[in-house]
Amino acid sequence: QKEVEQDPGPLSVPEGAIVSLNCTYSNSAFQYFMWYRQYSRKGPELLMYTYSSGNKEDGRFTAQVDKSSKYISLFIRDSQPSDSATYLCAMRHDYKLSFGAGTTVTVRA
Amino acid sequence: NAGVTQTPKFQVLKTGQSMTLQCAQDMNHNSMYWYRQDPGMGLRLIYYSASEGTTDKGEVPNGYNVSRLNKREFSLRLESAAPSQTSVYFCASEQGSGNQPQHFGDGTRLSIL
Repeated sequence: QKEVEQDPGPLSVPEGAIVSLNCTYSNSAFQYFMWYRQYSRKGPELLMYTYSSGNKEDGRFTAQVDKSSKYISLFIRDSQPSDSATYLCAMRHDYKLSFGAGTTVTVRA
Repeated sequence: NAGVTQTPKFQVLKTGQSMTLQCAQDMNHNSMYWYRQDPGMGLRLIYYSASEGTTDKGEVPNGYNVSRLNKREFSLRLESAAPSQTSVYFCASEQGSGNQPQHFGDGTRLSIL
């Protein structure tokens, strides 16, 4: 069993829709939780970074962490075609950063 | 602001050839990392360097060696390339000591025939 499981997608949504992305994990030692966005042929770009349970909002993006259920989510409101990318969840314990396999999202204009 | 720079961007090798992938960061970060990304597998850690002068194995170190040349530069070497090492390789750096976000380069796409 992988330490981090991410909904594989792909997702295709109309412009303006809410995008919901999810990951579960099995390692209770994970302390920090991240979401990265990766455009085609580019490196991952940090979107959200949090270390506590609850919600963190940044513009159209909301990250949600539930440590008791070992579950994290990313919501994108008012999605735009420029949000079309692969989204990676990542979790950290000490120097070890474990990634989900990624969910590819397409926002249709 | 270059951030993390990786060279080369693309490379094709024959089985058995050797190759060094270069990575440099200009953010004065202490820690640096090498990952590989394969379809359906996510990013997997090959090696990391917590600080200048130290290196440690990650999840998939076999077939690779690394050198932390100085604070800025961290290279990854394939001594005898194998087709299973065909992948996209990413270098990342981090300010702190295992509790800060990592910043990634744009990758090296490596094909081994």
